[in-house]
Amino acid sequence: AQSVTQLGSHVSVSEGALVLLRCNYSSSVPPYLFWYVQYPNQGLQLLLKYTSAATLVKGINGFEAEFKKSETSFHLTKPSAHMSDAAEYFCAVIANTGGFKTIFGAGTRLFVKA
Amino acid sequence: GAGVSQSPSNKVTEKGKDVELRCDPISGHTALYWYRQSLGQGLEFLIYFQGNSAPDKSGLPSDRFSAERTGGSVSTLTIQRTQQEDSAVYLCASSLLGDHTEAFFGQGTRLTVV
Repeated sequence: AQSVTQLGSHVSVSEGALVLLRCNYSSSVPPYLFWYVQYPNQGLQLLLKYTSAATLVKGINGFEAEFKKSETSFHLTKPSAHMSDAAEYFCAVIANTGGFKTIFGAGTRLFVKA
Repeated sequence: GAGVSQSPSNKVTEKGKDVELRCDPISGHTALYWYRQSLGQGLEFLIYFQGNSAPDKSGLPSDRFSAERTGGSVSTLTIQRTQQEDSAVYLCASSLLGDHTEAFFGQGTRLTVV
């Protein structure tokens, strides 16, 4: 069965610093991977998704993620954090193992310090 | 509608009462999910409807929780004999069936059991 592990429930960076949120997946078949963001008091929205077209995926708001099969990772990065990036970030996987159920990680809350 | 709609947006109920939460998915989306998000916590999977297949109820925390999806569209999550620990935000999401397809989330229903 597929699963997703997000390392670090909380990450704190200074404004302007690199953002790195870690996600590792487990899947017996080629996975499709997603990052979602949840701003305070809102639902989740899609940041970006990997669908095997390219290993480096660019998303909204300057975020990008790189699929590394050898490391079973899909870490999310942004070169320079902005205060408005403070939110909760969820990594997710879909793998067709008899169904297309989306599996979410536990989430990482990003804090951005001025 | 254009997005996933959930109602009510807020619900306060007395302990022991039953509540019904409604989700209107995006038209044409055959997959529908319910999640629970307690204060400061990640997403807790509750139930997954996949087209005409039997729903995946593996996440329902107790037999007080049930959900149905009528006509492959609107879904209702019912919590019977509510308890204070049921207080949370209940999120609904829908998607097309398939491994490339992202989930679209509603704004959630904030349930408070007093």
